Amino acid sequence: SAVISQKPSRDICQRGTSLTIQCQVDSQVTMMFWYRQQPGQSLTLIATANQGSEATYESGFVIDKFPISRPNLTFSTLTVSNMSPEDSSIYLCSVAGTREGYEQYFGPGTRLTVT
Amino acid sequence: DAKTTQPNSMESNEEEPVHLPCNHSTISGTDYIHWYRQLPSQGPEYVIHGLTSNVNNRMASLAIAEDRKSSTLILHRATLRDAAVYYCILRDVGNTPLVFGKGTRLSVIA
Repeated sequence: SAVISQKPSRDICQRGTSLTIQCQVDSQVTMMFWYRQQPGQSLTLIATANQGSEATYESGFVIDKFPISRPNLTFSTLTVSNMSPEDSSIYLCSVAGTREGYEQYFGPGTRLTVT
Repeated sequence: DAKTTQPNSMESNEEEPVHLPCNHSTISGTDYIHWYRQLPSQGPEYVIHGLTSNVNNRMASLAIAEDRKSSTLILHRATLRDAAVYYCILRDVGNTPLVFGKGTRLSVIA
C-alpha cells in the first residue's frame, strides 16, 4: 500500500491569491494524479503529474490555472492560481503503481475555501 | 472510458447483506471492474476488483454477470461504518487513472 499525506489539510484564501498544495507519498510510485471534488459532487480528474515533464491535463483544466510539479517519485505539488469562489473544493492527491500493483490510493484531501 | 450506471442511493439495515448493482453495458474486453468507496470526510479507498470471475476479499464480494454487462458488490453484513458512497468504475489494464461517476450513497440504519 501507499500512505499519502497532503499539506495543508484545509485553508481559507482570498480571491485572486494562489495556494500550493503538497502531496508526499511514503514510497516510490509510478503515477501521481490530482483530483477535485466540489461540494456534494463526485471526483473529477484534473491532471496526471509526470516526473520530469509537464503534467497531462484533462479537458477543462489548464496549466496556467493549475500548475503542477513532480520533481521525484514521491512528491508533487498542485497550485490553484488566481482563485475565485468557484475553486472552493476538496483537492485530492492520488497515486498508483506501487510494488504491489496499480491499485489507486488517495490522500486525505485539502479542503479549500475561497472568499 | 466506458460508462457505468448505479442507483443514486440505497438503504440497508445494520447486520443485513447489501447488494449494490452496477450496469456497464459498453464494457470492453480489457476493462476491469473496480469498486471504491468514500467514507465521509475521507479520500476514496479500494474495495475490490475483477475481470470475469467472481471475487471475494475480506471487505466484500464481487459478482460479475456472465456477459460482463453488469456486476454487484456484496457486503455480507452491513455495519454503520459501511455508510459511504460506493463507486463502480471500469478501468483498462495498466495504469490509467480512475474516472469516477456519481456512485451510490449507501445509508446503514441501526
